[in-house]
Amino acid sequence: AQKITQTQPGMFVQEKEAVTLDCTYDTSDPSYGLFWYKQPSSGEMIFLIYQGSYDQQNATEGRYSLNFQKARKSANLVISASQLGDSAMYFCAMRVIYNFNKFYFGSGTKLNVKP
Amino acid sequence: EAQVTQNPRYLITVTGKKLTVTCSQNMNHEYMSWYRQDPGLGLRQIYYSMNVEVTDKGDVPEGYKVSRKEKRNFPLILESPSPNQTSLYFCASSARAANTEAFFGQGTRLTVV
Repeated sequence: AQKITQTQPGMFVQEKEAVTLDCTYDTSDPSYGLFWYKQPSSGEMIFLIYQGSYDQQNATEGRYSLNFQKARKSANLVISASQLGDSAMYFCAMRVIYNFNKFYFGSGTKLNVKP
Repeated sequence: EAQVTQNPRYLITVTGKKLTVTCSQNMNHEYMSWYRQDPGLGLRQIYYSMNVEVTDKGDVPEGYKVSRKEKRNFPLILESPSPNQTSLYFCASSARAANTEAFFGQGTRLTVV
């Protein structure tokens, strides 16, 4: 069975500091993708970053990077130089090759950036 | 602009009054889904569709119906809404590949009183 676990319901970070949001996953499928989404208070879901299971390097997108440790089944999101606008809910998600129809989501982490 | 359009954004209704939430995408995606978001539970899939006239249940389908008569549209129907269907609903579309993200609509905040 597929599962995404986010163990940090809420986190605080000081503006301009880096923060790591944890995500662990479970799947027996050999090929899968891992995604992070941001949900600001306005409610929309914003795609941030993607990591493929066969990718050798960690994905990066601007201030976002994904710390992918395949053996540990973890896909942590790192936000560098936090900004006030980073305050939001963050969801980790997974999609597997044998079940394209579905994205499996974690319960989310609420990040608050303090000035 | 690639987008998923969902309407309405906000809806307050009474128990038992049928309602439809519309969803349309302009990316020619095969896959479309409906999710509901509840605090502490993340997003859970209600129904999905792999193509026109092909739909199937997700994890929490009870009390919902869907249809896919055209590739771009995937409406969610609540025949007899109940208060436990009060939630934030998202329509999403995606291409048929594990390395492609889901595109989400703006969300519909539904309250059933």
